[in-house]
Amino acid sequence: IAGITQAPTSQILAAGRRMTLRCTQDMRHNAMYWYRQDLGLGLRLIHYSNTAGTTGKGEVPDGYSVSRANTDDFPLTLASAVPSQTSVYFCATRAGTNTDTQYFGPGTRLTVL
Amino acid sequence: DQQVKQNSPSLSVQEGRISILNCDYTNSMFDYFLWYKKYPAEGPTFLISISSIKDKNEDGRFTVFLNKSAKHLSLHIVPSQPGDSAVYFCAASVRTFNKFYFGSGTKLNVKP
Repeated sequence: IAGITQAPTSQILAAGRRMTLRCTQDMRHNAMYWYRQDLGLGLRLIHYSNTAGTTGKGEVPDGYSVSRANTDDFPLTLASAVPSQTSVYFCATRAGTNTDTQYFGPGTRLTVL
Repeated sequence: DQQVKQNSPSLSVQEGRISILNCDYTNSMFDYFLWYKKYPAEGPTFLISISSIKDKNEDGRFTVFLNKSAKHLSLHIVPSQPGDSAVYFCAASVRTFNKFYFGSGTKLNVKP
C-alpha cells in the first residue's frame, strides 16, 4: 500500500511555463488538500476538496488551480509559473469530517527560475 | 496574518530532559488542535491532537496542553530522545469547515 504518492519528486521550471503536480492516494479518503511549505511561514493551504467533484480555495489560492474528477487523484496546476511559487508542495488526505488526522505525501520540491 | 503562530523557530534540549514546544492562535472559533512531526525530505506525520473540550491529552511520552483563555497550546515531550529531533508543526481547525491552519514550525534538536 503506497498511501499517497506525489510526482514529480522535484522539478526546475522556467517562469511562464505551465506545470501540473500530481497527487494520487489509494486510501479512498474523501478529503484532499494541497499545501505549500515555505521557510518561516509553515504550511499554507492552497486548495482543498471535501469529496470528488468539489473543490475549495484555501489561504493562498492565487496562481493555482485544482480538479477532483475522482476520489484518488487531486492534481495541482500552475498555469503560468512565477518565481514566488518556488516552494515545497505537499498533498494530504483526510478520511472524513469525523476524523481529524491528515496524511501527507512526501512532497514535491519546485523551483521556478 | 497567520492565525496560528509558533514563535520559537528552534529549540535545543539534552537527551532525557523535557522538551516544551509552544503554539499560539488567534481565532477563537478553532475547536481542534493537532501537532505534526516532520523529518527532512518527508511529509509531516500526525503526532497528537486535542479537542477544545479538553485541556490535556497524553500519549506515551507526548502530552499536549490547551489553555483556551490564553489561546495557547503546548507540546511536552518527556523524556526527549535524539530520534525526536525534527520540525514540529502545530495546527488548528474549525471541525465543520474542514480547513487546517498551520504554524511556522519549531525545529527541535535533542542532543545525545
